[in-house]
Amino acid sequence: GESVGLHLPTLSVQEGDNSIINCAYSNSASDYFIWYKQESGKGPQFIIDIRSNMDKRQGQRVTVLLNKTVKHLSLQIAATQPGDSAVYFCAENLNQAGTALIFGKGTTLSVSS
Amino acid sequence: DVKVTQSSRYLVKRTGEKVFLECVQDMDHENMFWYRQDPGLGLRLIYFSYDVKMKEKGDIPEGYSVSREKKERFSLILESASTNQTSMYLCASRPLGATNEKLFFGSGTQLSVL
Repeated sequence: GESVGLHLPTLSVQEGDNSIINCAYSNSASDYFIWYKQESGKGPQFIIDIRSNMDKRQGQRVTVLLNKTVKHLSLQIAATQPGDSAVYFCAENLNQAGTALIFGKGTTLSVSS
Repeated sequence: DVKVTQSSRYLVKRTGEKVFLECVQDMDHENMFWYRQDPGLGLRLIYFSYDVKMKEKGDIPEGYSVSREKKERFSLILESASTNQTSMYLCASRPLGATNEKLFFGSGTQLSVL
């Protein structure tokens, strides 16, 4: 079936480095993509989203890139900090009601000082 | 801030028991969701509710039921718990008509079925 996947289950970086977390999706009908961050012992929290009519969106220290040609989504975190250590999920939205939100399997980001 | 509260952080139950997982949100949201989260599988939607007394099946409803008698409360019920229902359960809520940047999650209930 169609699903959202991630290239790497884990990513380790040094504090201050830039981090790039990748995600591949398979449903070309998806019109909206979201990145969530889940810290240990907490539920997922919204980080940033992007609609399919955009290829880049920037937030505070985070940038999401969307390449619809190859169905690829990435999350870039600038100047990674220990507080960024968490599991990151991408999700694609298949319908306007948002009930067909398909989550990827998650990438665990570990930031060392 | 929106608060989605799941009544238990950890639960241990025996096979065959009836299990209730409770979720309460304090922002008058119409939409509420139950997901389960398993290593390597991400989050999968079990059931959701658009409003009081309304419910819809998600991707993996088998073995579960839900109850939404009051707007603020959405309960997930395991009629007869089985070991393959050992998982992290996440509740979420969202205002009517909002897209998913307004989706707020609880902290989760880790259920172990022995």
